[in-house]
Amino acid sequence: AQTVTQSQPEMSVQEAETVTLSCTYDTSESDYYLFWYKQPPSRQMILVIRQEAYKQQNATENRFSVNFQKAAKSFSLKISDSQLGDAAMYFCAYRGRMDSSYKLIFGSGTRLLVRP
Amino acid sequence: EAGVTQFPSHSVIEKGQTVTLRCDPISGHDNLYWYRRVMGKEIKFLLHFVKESKQDESGMPNNRFLAERTGGTYSTLKVQPAELEDSGVYFCASSQVLGRAKRGGYTFGSGTRLTVV
Repeated sequence: AQTVTQSQPEMSVQEAETVTLSCTYDTSESDYYLFWYKQPPSRQMILVIRQEAYKQQNATENRFSVNFQKAAKSFSLKISDSQLGDAAMYFCAYRGRMDSSYKLIFGSGTRLLVRP
Repeated sequence: EAGVTQFPSHSVIEKGQTVTLRCDPISGHDNLYWYRRVMGKEIKFLLHFVKESKQDESGMPNNRFLAERTGGTYSTLKVQPAELEDSGVYFCASSQVLGRAKRGGYTFGSGTRLTVV
């Protein structure tokens, strides 16, 4: 069975600086999708960035980028120029290509604090 | 477009009572998912509806949980009788077509925080 591990329960970053959130996963599949979701306090979860496993190029979305290491099964999220609005729970998620339900497998989350 | 709506936002019930959570997906979204996060742990999949049919209910923990989606619109998740370990945040997500879901393009609700005391 696939698993997703986020080993950092909480991270803190100074506003305008850079922070990296870690995520590792375990799977026997060769093709899959990886995602980072953000959940602000009492708000709905939104997709931050996604990566398709067959693509070697790391995905980027404005200040958010990933470091996808397929062999190491690692998928970290880098947030550059951190802003107060980035404070949230961040969840790493996996979706196997063979799953007909397209359900997501999540990690336990990392709470990001942004210091002004 | 209106988002995915879940209510109540919070519910505190006693062990042994019944609670019903409701999710209103985005209109026209055939795919509806329920997930649950027990405090401090990972978010876990519970089940997936395609319209009114249960496509995958492999994540339902036991027969105390009953999910329905009458008419393929809103969905309810009933817990009866509730146990202490059922406490957590219950998320609902919807997607119009599987193709969009395939890329992780779900729309999530804000969740229902359930506390069983």
